Amino acid sequence: AQSVAQPEDQVNVAEGNPLTVKCTYSVSGNPYLFWYVQYPNRGLQFLLKYITGDNLVKGSYGFEAEFNKSQTSFHLKKPSALVSDSALYFCAVRDNPPSGGSYIPTFGRGTSLIVHP
Amino acid sequence: DAGVTQSPTHLIKTRGQQVTLRCSPKSGHDTVSWYQQALGQGPQFIFQYYEEEERQRGNFPDRFSGHQFPNYSSELNVNALLLGDSALYLCASSDGPAGVHEQYFGPGTRLTVT
Repeated sequence: AQSVAQPEDQVNVAEGNPLTVKCTYSVSGNPYLFWYVQYPNRGLQFLLKYITGDNLVKGSYGFEAEFNKSQTSFHLKKPSALVSDSALYFCAVRDNPPSGGSYIPTFGRGTSLIVHP
Repeated sequence: DAGVTQSPTHLIKTRGQQVTLRCSPKSGHDTVSWYQQALGQGPQFIFQYYEEEERQRGNFPDRFSGHQFPNYSSELNVNALLLGDSALYLCASSDGPAGVHEQYFGPGTRLTVT
């Protein structure tokens, strides 16, 4: 079975400071990992994904994520936060080969990022 | 290039009624997935359509059904609405299976069941 956890409901950071949004996962095989962002009253927007290869993945809007197999983590990071980064962030994971034949990723509960001016 | 569009934006229904939600995928995408997002929760997968057939289904009752048309647009139907069906319903499209390819989400339909 596949599962994902976002241990923090909310992350607060000052503008200009680095930010980290945490994600840990559990799969039987190898993980496909995704990060999405959701702004108020909007659908989710894709940020980045890890399928294979380099453990450091670079995505949209200056975000990056580091895949750590030993810690089963895929934390989202940005060197310098902007007020406009304030939103809800979702991590998602899919097992490979697919668990029970399902190709559908499982989403975490989301982490609210608040960037203070 | 239009992204994923959904209609209507908001909907209020009474318990026991039926509802139909609509989705047009991003241009070039042939796979449509539907998700239910309850307040404070992540999206929960309902089902995925490809080539006009339901290919994957999440843990939702048969009251939830769908359809995909030849132009790849899709409908989500919910019968015998319950109060617990109140949520944001998201449609996502992708150029292939959702678990490999990134999904593009629409703005959602906010369903309120009273």
